[in-house]
Amino acid sequence: DVKVTQSSRYLVKRTGEKVFLECVQDMDHENMFWYRQDPGLGLRLIYFSYDVKMKEKGDIPEGYSVSREKKERFSLILESASTNQTSMYLCASSSGVATYGYTFGSGTRLTVV
Amino acid sequence: GENVEQHPSTLSVQEGDSAVIKCTYSDSASNYFPWYKQELGKRPQLIIDIRSNVGEKKDQRIAVTLNKTAKHFSLHITETQPEDSAVYFCAARDSGYSSASKIIFGSGTRLSIRP
Repeated sequence: DVKVTQSSRYLVKRTGEKVFLECVQDMDHENMFWYRQDPGLGLRLIYFSYDVKMKEKGDIPEGYSVSREKKERFSLILESASTNQTSMYLCASSSGVATYGYTFGSGTRLTVV
Repeated sequence: GENVEQHPSTLSVQEGDSAVIKCTYSDSASNYFPWYKQELGKRPQLIIDIRSNVGEKKDQRIAVTLNKTAKHFSLHITETQPEDSAVYFCAARDSGYSSASKIIFGSGTRLSIRP
């Protein structure tokens, strides 16, 4: 009963490549989020979206952009991948403006070489 | 914006003993505090949460306490078992202007249960 699906579990890309990470949720959630997870740093928010075509910067947006053309899909884009973007990327979704917890995807481990 | 600090970063306890993880937050207007458990190679999952209108919440062996005056909250696990070994994240909802429920996470605690 997977609710939040990330398209790739593992990804290896070269420096300078444009990288797309895809996330799809089937719970009709309004809010979607992209975090990166690094040891000792926890989960850091990159971008989030509370509606179709809406986006807001999180704490570490530099080097990233996002796209939300449909309610169920939220894409993270690395315009020109760099080695310091090697990380685990987690997508999450939540419902409305109420204080509900997130549902996370399984994550994409991206390695930039 | 909100800032969440979490301690300790690693914790090792004997099976059957209790474990306590502590967090502080900076935004006095924050009103929602979830805890997530992430087992090795798996996604973070919500295990318990507390809202600012209560001071304590329990769910079997897990409890969370909240002290709004001091701006800190804690996770307590009693009678620990091997399956409790995981990374635990505390979090707080940012009360900023955005209409989204943006949650800020602590840095995580790696809990190991010794047999």
